[in-house]
Amino acid sequence: ETGVTQTPRHLVMGMTNKKSLKCEQHLGHNAMYWYKQSAKKPLELMFVYNFKEQTENNSVPSRFSPECPNSSHLFLHLHTLQPEDSALYLCASSQEVAVSSYEQYFGPGTRLTVT
Amino acid sequence: GEDVEQSLFLSVREGDSSVINCTYTDSSSTYLYWYKQEPGAGLQLLTYIFSNMDMKQDQRLTVLLNKKDKHLSLRIADTQTGDSAIYFCAEGQTSYDKVIFGPGTSLSVIP
Repeated sequence: ETGVTQTPRHLVMGMTNKKSLKCEQHLGHNAMYWYKQSAKKPLELMFVYNFKEQTENNSVPSRFSPECPNSSHLFLHLHTLQPEDSALYLCASSQEVAVSSYEQYFGPGTRLTVT
Repeated sequence: GEDVEQSLFLSVREGDSSVINCTYTDSSSTYLYWYKQEPGAGLQLLTYIFSNMDMKQDQRLTVLLNKKDKHLSLRIADTQTGDSAIYFCAEGQTSYDKVIFGPGTSLSVIP
């Protein structure tokens, strides 16, 4: 399998549930990202990992907890979410640390609905 | 600020040219990108331009950059129904080493 994959593609969860989103890239990239995409709003960068180390946390609430066990895998652990957290969560990867200079490859996203 | 701005909607007839406009804020941006998002999919890079270029052409796509006005445009010649998607402008901000995306322009192509 090639590119960036995300599972699950759709997720419905209650506010008291705990769930995890998974992202995997098969491109040999060293940087991985989580974005939140809400309707009619700019793409919101949530977290950046370079070489498994978190380099950016864009003031994301603690109910979102990322994990990057290796350069190929990225998780987003979710707990006690709010309805306004419903959105499309996109994972992306790029070749290297110089984020501004490299093309980002996106996964298809996980459509999250919080009830 | 870090805003990248785009109009949210554009509708064109099949066969016409589409022009999607974008303004950005960081004059130190080195790379400017256009991404395309089709329904149910993630974003895919269409093309990019270095800040020291004025124009880049790639088949039906023409990117124009006015660095003085911080204005970027994407022209799609002979627009097809398969071009219907959301188009995101993005700037690679060298000074902050991050990529800032605009809100996306939803292009509808009328057969």
